[in-house]
Amino acid sequence: QQQVKQSPQSLIVQKGGISIINCAYENTAFDYFPWYQQFPGKGPALLIAIRPDVSEKKEGRFTISFNKSAKQFSLHIMDSQPGDSATYFCAASISGNTPLVFGKGTRLSVIA
Amino acid sequence: GAGVSQSPSNKVTEKGKDVELRCDPISGHTALYWYRQSLGQGLEFLIYFQGNSAPDKSGLPSDRFSAERTGGSVSTLTIQRTQQEDSAVYLCASSLRTGISGNTIYFGEGSWLTVV
Repeated sequence: QQQVKQSPQSLIVQKGGISIINCAYENTAFDYFPWYQQFPGKGPALLIAIRPDVSEKKEGRFTISFNKSAKQFSLHIMDSQPGDSATYFCAASISGNTPLVFGKGTRLSVIA
Repeated sequence: GAGVSQSPSNKVTEKGKDVELRCDPISGHTALYWYRQSLGQGLEFLIYFQGNSAPDKSGLPSDRFSAERTGGSVSTLTIQRTQQEDSAVYLCASSLRTGISGNTIYFGEGSWLTVV
């Protein structure tokens, strides 16, 4: 049972465009939703995270939108740059005792 | 060290051999995790350690996989009688502690295992 479903699997965006990656979760007990960014040959690194008490969180060009009733959250990358080309993972966990459950990842390519 | 350190960075082994992968977490981090990353499969949770508590082994795929953490610091993931389907990147991560929602998890660069 896949607890966190991520789409699309891959994404190509023009430089300056908006990249949007979506995730859906099943377990309503999840209360922490981070996004990780991974460059080739490197480990994933935390990009931005949100708790369900807010519907949106913005850090620079990166925004998480959260829809608790739909059990969905998404990552928006504004003004996408070639340096944003990486694999992005959404994740979820339950505060208290559980490790992160990850989506399968989205490979983003930003082309000039 | 400044970050999570893993060794070896690359390992090629013959089918049926045992392998050991090492993880040195960030100093002071009490929680340590092992994940497996296969092509197109995301990050699969394997096991985690929190302080002196019994480890959560619920993600280990078979009894060929085991892990230990000595002295609350360094951890070793052991795969016995390796199979070709074990080929993957094994990622170690650590955090200050679990039990706190939103605690940042820091990953190492992984150990790339190839079973031939």
